[in-house]
Amino acid sequence: AQKVTQAQTEISVVEKEDVTLDCVYETRDTTYYLFWYKQPPSGELVFLIRRNSFDEQNEISGRYSWNFQKSTSSFNFTITASQVVDSAVYFCALSEANAGGTSYGKLTFGQGTILTVHP
Amino acid sequence: NAGVTQTPKFRVLKTGQSMTLLCAQDMNHEYMYWYRQDPGMGLRLIHYSVGEGTTAKGEVPDGYNVSRLKKQNFLLGLESAAPSQTSVYFCASSESPLTWGEQFFGPGTRLTVL
Repeated sequence: AQKVTQAQTEISVVEKEDVTLDCVYETRDTTYYLFWYKQPPSGELVFLIRRNSFDEQNEISGRYSWNFQKSTSSFNFTITASQVVDSAVYFCALSEANAGGTSYGKLTFGQGTILTVHP
Repeated sequence: NAGVTQTPKFRVLKTGQSMTLLCAQDMNHEYMYWYRQDPGMGLRLIHYSVGEGTTAKGEVPDGYNVSRLKKQNFLLGLESAAPSQTSVYFCASSESPLTWGEQFFGPGTRLTVL
């Protein structure tokens, strides 16, 4: 069975600090997808990134960057120069794609990391 | 486009009462999902549907039923609500897992069972 672990329950930083959110996953499949979602205080879920298991290139989008390492089964998320608006719960999620195509895109979520950025 | 909408946004039930949560999407997506979110546990899949007229169980299906009579709607029913079903419920849809597109989430329904 697949599993996603976000060991950091809560992180508190001061504005402009860099912060890394950890995500470790378990899966027996060779083909899978990893996601990060943001849940701001308003409650909606905002898609941030999708990465497939064959693409280990790191990705940068503005102040956000993601480090995918298959060797350690990790997909970590870094926010550079954090801002108060980054305060939210961040979820890492995994979706398997087995040969029969029967995973149907079901997401397995980690427990979430609550990030608080203080002014 | 409204995207994914959920009705109602809030609801309080007494133990044993029944209710139906409605999810609607206007993106012509084939796949739809119901998740529940509980503190410290992330989101867990309740049921999902891979097309009109189909439903399947997810990780935590007990106490819930679903129906997908129309492609754009996915209903989640609680026949006899229990306090353990107090949670925030999210509906999501996706074009097709084969294209591995993102799942689009609704705004959530906060349900309290007393």
